[in-house]
Amino acid sequence: QQQVKQSPQSLIVQKGGISIINCAYENTAFDYFPWYQQFPGKGPALLIAIRPDVSEKKEGRFTISFNKSAKQFSLHIMDSQPGDSATYFCAAAGVNQGGSEKLVFGKGTKLTVNP
Amino acid sequence: DSGVTQTPKHLITATGQRVTLRCSPRSGDLSVYWYQQSLDQGLQFLIQYYNGEERAKGNILERFSAQQFPDLHSELNLSSLELGDSALYFCASSEPRQPQHFGDGTRLSIL
Repeated sequence: QQQVKQSPQSLIVQKGGISIINCAYENTAFDYFPWYQQFPGKGPALLIAIRPDVSEKKEGRFTISFNKSAKQFSLHIMDSQPGDSATYFCAAAGVNQGGSEKLVFGKGTKLTVNP
Repeated sequence: DSGVTQTPKHLITATGQRVTLRCSPRSGDLSVYWYQQSLDQGLQFLIQYYNGEERAKGNILERFSAQQFPDLHSELNLSSLELGDSALYFCASSEPRQPQHFGDGTRLSIL
């Protein structure tokens, strides 16, 4: 059972454009939603994260939008740059899960930003 | 640099063998998580340790085991290896209610 569904699987954007990646979750016990960026040969690196008490969080060119009633959240990358080309993973966690904050990941989106 | 160190970076071995992957968490982090990344399954949680005690188990095979030592480093032991165990294995560490920081992984290839 896939608890976090991520789309699209791949995305090609022109430099300066907006990249949008969407995720949906099923478990209402989740209360922490991070996004990770992964480059080839490297581990996932935390990009930005949100908790359900806010509907939007912005850090530089990266924004998370969160819709609790729809159980959906998305990552917007403004002014996308070639250096943003990487695989992006959404994830969810809930401390209610037996005290563990294990992350449940989406399948990932491979973003390519063309110059 | 996340501060999480994993060794070795690459491991090549044969079916039926046993290997040990090592993880040193960030200074002060009591939680260590192990994840497996494969092309078909994506990133899957395997197991978590908190201050030496097992906290949670995920999709971890019985052939796999882990432990966390008093100095907080952790080891993931994989035995009776099969071709399907070829994957990237990541370790992450965190403080309670804080983000998880990942190492650069160990790439395991089974021949």
